[in-house]
Amino acid sequence: EIVMTQSPATLSVSPGERVTLSCRASQSVTNNLAWYQRGPGQAPKLLIYSASTRATGIPARFSASGSGTEFTLTIYSLQSEDSAVYYCQQYDTWPLYTFGQGTKLEIK
Amino acid sequence: VQLVESGGDWVQPGRSLRLSCAASGLSFGNYGMHWVRLAPGKGLEWVSGINRKGNSMGYAGSVKGRFTISRDNAKNSLYLQMNSLRIEDTALYYCAKEDPDMNGYLDLWGQGTLVTVSS
Repeated sequence: EIVMTQSPATLSVSPGERVTLSCRASQSVTNNLAWYQRGPGQAPKLLIYSASTRATGIPARFSASGSGTEFTLTIYSLQSEDSAVYYCQQYDTWPLYTFGQGTKLEIK
Repeated sequence: VQLVESGGDWVQPGRSLRLSCAASGLSFGNYGMHWVRLAPGKGLEWVSGINRKGNSMGYAGSVKGRFTISRDNAKNSLYLQMNSLRIEDTALYYCAKEDPDMNGYLDLWGQGTLVTVSS
């Protein structure tokens, strides 16, 4: 099983700032990596797929990169509605997908 | 376009429960489908997935041998049969649709159904 490790566990930043979240895979997942946002009391929402492609309707201030085992999600010009838990997911190994443990982002 | 889960309940350890997910507004049979859960105080955990035709399934190690995923394309429905439930299976269970190209990312999620396992 591929283990996904996210860091940091929590972040607290001010509106307008930039933040970078990290996700590491225990073995290469090539670019089969997605990022999701789960707001308070909400269902998860797809942000990024194929490591760097924004999903439909996701603003350009969400940017992601990486391949192999190291991935990052950067959010620019943070807004209050970005307060959420962010998860990475590898889908390289059907039929066994795995998520990271999540990074909780708080906007001060 | 939506996914609506149902069947969540409170059950005692060792008992069984069957979850359902009804899809509407999409060609259900064209997509792989998955169950993902969120336990209290924990992160998302992929539970199980099934391909479009229903002849290839996968399970997380924590549920393998106890849970069974299935689908009925004629009824636009996904199911999760959960047997030998444990306290640690307590979670909000989401149904999620796979992307159209069958890459494996999940582009549509339901709102979840709550399963509580407790004595």
